[in-house]
Amino acid sequence: GENVEQHPSTLSVQEGDSAVIKCTYSDSASNYFPWYKQELGKRPQLIIDIRSNVGEKKDQRIAVTLNKTAKHFSLHITETQPEDSAVYFCAANAGRGAQKLVFGQGTRLTINP
Amino acid sequence: EAGVVQSPRYKIIEKKQPVAFWCNPISGHNTLYWYLQNLGQGPELLIRYENEEAVDDSQLPKDRFSAERLKGVDSTLKIQPAELGDSAVYLCASSLAGSEKTQYFGPGTRLLVL
Repeated sequence: GENVEQHPSTLSVQEGDSAVIKCTYSDSASNYFPWYKQELGKRPQLIIDIRSNVGEKKDQRIAVTLNKTAKHFSLHITETQPEDSAVYFCAANAGRGAQKLVFGQGTRLTINP
Repeated sequence: EAGVVQSPRYKIIEKKQPVAFWCNPISGHNTLYWYLQNLGQGPELLIRYENEEAVDDSQLPKDRFSAERLKGVDSTLKIQPAELGDSAVYLCASSLAGSEKTQYFGPGTRLLVL
């Protein structure tokens, strides 16, 4: 079945700098890759997603890139702000068209003022 | 629009006791998911419903866990008897039917088994 690996597990950056979180997946048939943000004690919330028919997607300060050949995708946050501090999870669907999501282990991002 | 609602938010029980969690999905969402989230880990799918039918329960420990979604709306997840290792956050999510649909999560129920 699908396996998703996420790195790093913790990331600390200065406010205003960029942050990058990377994930790899194992099932080449996966075609949907969402990213969720979870603040302490809160529910996971979708921040951006990408489908396998595109290589990059951007929404203001957040962008996601996908390399299908290498089976990895990354989250990029530019001009980081204190409110970006949270745990970020990547996920991949378990095969083409599958609704089941397999999540990575999470990255705790801390923005230092 | 109201989001996914879960109750209770917190539950503390002694081992071997039963416990139940309730979830009300977003109106119109046919698909409902129950996830387990251990501390410091990503959510892991326990069961997925399409309307009232459980279509993926391969990761549900059926010896002690059960779930139902009567009438295809609200759902309950039950553990009987609870074990110490069941301490975790139980998340409910819902989505529209079909692939690549956004899953919206509830706030979760934090369970502590003593």
